[in-house]
This record gives sequence, C-alpha cells and structure tokens, in this order.
Amino acid sequence: KNEVEQSPQNLTAQEGEFITINCSYSVGISALHWLQQHPGGGIVSLFMLSSGKKKHGRLIATINIQEKHSSLHITASHPRDSAVYICAVSGNTPLVFGKGTRLSVIA
Amino acid sequence: DTEVTQTPKHLVMGMTNKKSLKCEQHMGHRAMYWYKQKAKKPPELMFVYSYEKLSINESVPSRFSPECPNSSLLNLHLHALQPEDSALYLCASSQGLGSGEETQYFGPGTRLLVL
Repeated sequence: KNEVEQSPQNLTAQEGEFITINCSYSVGISALHWLQQHPGGGIVSLFMLSSGKKKHGRLIATINIQEKHSSLHITASHPRDSAVYICAVSGNTPLVFGKGTRLSVIA
Repeated sequence: DTEVTQTPKHLVMGMTNKKSLKCEQHMGHRAMYWYKQKAKKPPELMFVYSYEKLSINESVPSRFSPECPNSSLLNLHLHALQPEDSALYLCASSQGLGSGEETQYFGPGTRLLVL
C-alpha cells in the first residue's frame, strides 16, 4: 500500500505570504490529488495531476514523478485559505490519503 | 448541477437503532463512494460503487450496509452501531469507473453520533 507523507503538519502564515505544502509517496501512482477541507467538513477537489504543473487562480500544484513528490503553492495567501489541505494518490486502488496540513492564515 | 447532496446533516442514534444515510448526485457520474472520517484524521474509504455495482468493500463491518438503488442515489444503512462508529460520513462521486484517476466531488457529509 502506498505511504503518503505530508509536511508540514501545521502551518501558520501571515496574510500575503507565499505558502508551500509538500507531499511525498512511496510507490508509483497514476494520479495525485490535492483536496481542501474547511472546518465543518466539506471537501473540495483542487487539482488532479499525473505530470507537470497546474495553476488555478492563486494556487499552483506541481508533481515530480521520478522523485515521487508533489507541492501545492498558494501565492498571496488570505485568511479564507485557512483550511486543511490533503494530498491523496491513486494507483491500483482508489485514493490513499495523507494526514493533511492544517493551514491558518492570519490577517 | 455539480453538487453532491447528503441527508441528514446530523444524526444521533442509539446502539440498537436502524438508520440510513442518503447521498444523491445528478451529474451523471457512474462511480460513487462512501468515506468515514474521524476527527483530525484523513478520510478512510469504505465502499465504491461502479455502474451501480459494489466494486470495493474495504473490509467494513457488516453493521454498515451500502445500497445503490440507481445511478444517482447511494444509501448507507446503519444497524447496531458502536460508539466508536461516531464520525463524519462523506459521500463522493466521479465520472468514471471509480479507479481513483478521476476528480471526485464530495458531499458536505453526515455527522453521526452513536450513543
């Protein structure tokens, strides 16, 4: 079974800061997902990647298949970005989740 | 319509009760999922339905019984639960076969408390 590690576990940032969250996995995958979960429970899918880089607004996700590593970047962070960010990978089985990174952005 | 709905939002039940959770989507998705999430933990996959057939059961106890009456609807029947089953139950759907290589759309969840 794939092992998914995220770092950091917790992150506090000032509004406007550039944020990076990292995800590494142990076994080759077919796709990697970045998810956002706000307090209260709702989960939103931010990106699905199998190679390269994707950008949506202030969010950028990159993946290096050879190094088994992905990063999620948030530019010009804002308090509304405060949430738990979860990395999940898929291969021969449906999603295996990382433990999440809890982000707090302070105004 | 890109929404997955779940009812009820909250549920309190005793260990001898029988209850059901409901999930609905009208996006034409053919894969639907049940996840269980304990506080401050990531979601754990319970079941996957693909084209209305159960394709994955992650060794879930039989006190949880899934049902997919049609392609838009997914139920989770609960019977004789234990207090440790208290959690947020999330439903999701995706367009393809449920392999994990598709974007999943999540419902808001049902927060279950077993007394």
